[in-house]
Amino acid sequence: GAVVSQHPSRVICKSGTSVKIECRSLDFQATTMFWYRQFPKQSLMLMATSNEGSKATYEQGVEKDKFLINHASLTLSTLTVTSAHPEDSSFYICSALGQGGNEQYFGPGTRLTVT
Amino acid sequence: LAKTTQPISMDSYEGQEVNITCSHNNIATNDYITWYQQFPSQGPRFIIQGYKTKVTNEVASLFIPADRKSSTLSLPRVSLSDTAVYYCLVVGQGGKLIFGQGTELSVKP
Repeated sequence: GAVVSQHPSRVICKSGTSVKIECRSLDFQATTMFWYRQFPKQSLMLMATSNEGSKATYEQGVEKDKFLINHASLTLSTLTVTSAHPEDSSFYICSALGQGGNEQYFGPGTRLTVT
Repeated sequence: LAKTTQPISMDSYEGQEVNITCSHNNIATNDYITWYQQFPSQGPRFIIQGYKTKVTNEVASLFIPADRKSSTLSLPRVSLSDTAVYYCLVVGQGGKLIFGQGTELSVKP
């Protein structure tokens, strides 16, 4: 089955620094990837849609200058949390849209802790 | 995107069949219904997807009535390891998913 990986699986950074999270589709090409954020005991919240070769589409309330998304290839999308603050601490999950157009495959998530 | 409504929590015992029903009254003609399972600190895992009638795979069955305004995920003979949050989602063109609260299933011995 389709596999999506994320790196790193967990990261701790200091307030004010930037952190990059990678999302890779390992055995298929994904023109569309999605980024979600999940706080404890809550559901996933869609942050943005990442399309290969074009600018990401952000959901309402998500700051595009704070959460930089790059989708430079058909197998890699990156999310950079800039000038991180403790309130950005969360579980970040990516997904990749399968070639059928209806199936979405999720990565294992990245736990970000900002101290 | 059609909004989904499902029970917040359910309890069951090992070996029982569990049915989780989801309503999606505003589903569009081209939308599919998809269910995911999520364990703590992991990404959601695809369980099953369907458009109408009944779909069955090695882990679950999905029942969708003719009007498609609801769907029921059926888990046969659950075990302790099936304790998780189950999400019902309607998937339209472009694959965008909006997650609802999900159903927290607790399986007891």
